[in-house]
Parts: sequence; C-alpha cells; structure tokens
Amino acid sequence: NAGVTQTPKFQVLKTGQSMTLQCAQDMNHNSMYWYRQDPGMGLRLIYYSASEGTTDKGEVPNGYNVSRLNKREFSLRLESAAPSQTSVYFCASSEGPSSGNTIYFGEGSWLTVV
Amino acid sequence: QKEVEQNSGPLSVPEGAIASLNCTYSDRGSQSFFWYRQYSGKSPELIMFIYSNGDKEDGRFTAQLNKASQYVSLLIRDSQPSDSATYLCAVIRAGNMLTFGGGTRLMVKP
Repeated sequence: NAGVTQTPKFQVLKTGQSMTLQCAQDMNHNSMYWYRQDPGMGLRLIYYSASEGTTDKGEVPNGYNVSRLNKREFSLRLESAAPSQTSVYFCASSEGPSSGNTIYFGEGSWLTVV
Repeated sequence: QKEVEQNSGPLSVPEGAIASLNCTYSDRGSQSFFWYRQYSGKSPELIMFIYSNGDKEDGRFTAQLNKASQYVSLLIRDSQPSDSATYLCAVIRAGNMLTFGGGTRLMVKP
C-alpha cells in the first residue's frame, strides 16, 4: 500500500535555485494538499486542490506554485528558493474537502535552503 | 490570535496515568475536529475525529468537544511510553480548510 508518495525526501538548495516537489496518491482521492511544518507552528496549508483541474491558495502560498497534473499527481514548485522556505513539506490527500474526510499524509520532504 | 491553539508542552505523565491534552479554536463556524499523533521525524496519523458536543471514545482515547466554550480535548487512559509523541489538534473551518494547532508534546515516563 503506497498511499501518498512524495519525492525527494531530502534536498538542499542554494538561495535563488528552483525545484519541484512531486506527490502522487494511489487511493483515487479527489483532493490533494501541500502543507509545511516548522518547529512550534504545526502544519500550515500552502495550496490545495479540491478536485482535478482546480487549485486554491491556503494560509501561506507566497513563493510557491502548484500544478494538479491529473487526479493522482499534485506538484509544488519553488521558483526562487529563500532560506525562509527551509521546512518539512507534507503532501496529503483525501476523498474530498467536506467535513469528516480523513486526510492521509505522505512521509514528508525535508528541504534546506542555504 | 491563532485559529487553533495548543500548549506546546512538554506534558509529562507517568506510565499508567491519564494524559489530558487541550485545544481551543477561534472560529465558531468550525465543523469538525481531529486529533493527530506525530512521532518525531514521521508524518501525522489520525487518532480520531469528533463532530458533536460531548464525548467520543475509541479504546484508550476519548475526545471531548464543547462548542459553546470552543475547546476540544483528548484524554489518553493508561498512558504508555509508546504514546510519547506530539499531538496535533486540527479543525475544519468554513471553506473546508483543515487548520492545525502547533501541537503538544507528550512524554510518558516509565
């Protein structure tokens, strides 16, 4: 059972470099999410996609772009990385954005920007 | 004011005791409430969810919701060292965004 798979697991970037975090789910879920987690801050929503073809900003979208490539895949792009984007990134998916739908998380991607 | 607030801890309890974790939220329109457990270096995993006022029990875990006072709590009975983790409270607000608190670190001492 793969569930939610995200790559890479670890990445070090230099300030100004760009990169894309990849995420795929095999549970046929409609909704997908990107969160970042910083010490003491819990998880903060960057972007989400309620269904294929739609994306919406979350709490902290600045500096990021997303693409919902198809129902399975949802990528997060940093166009010009900044040290403030050093964080752990989690991709997640759920059947839908309505109340009660369980959100399943990937294993996380540790990103360091130097 | 944060949307979802938790005491960061650590909360230290002896093995076998009851651990009580609390969470308050600011949006009265919040609909659903979740507790996640996160071990160090791992992703969050759902423990339980609650929609209605009152208590909901699942094994050693009990979630309590009081919408009038805008708080939700998690009780862990017979705490075990394996329960040592960070516990994240999450709330679905209007617009269907799942918003997390900062988490409470629980330490269960043998």
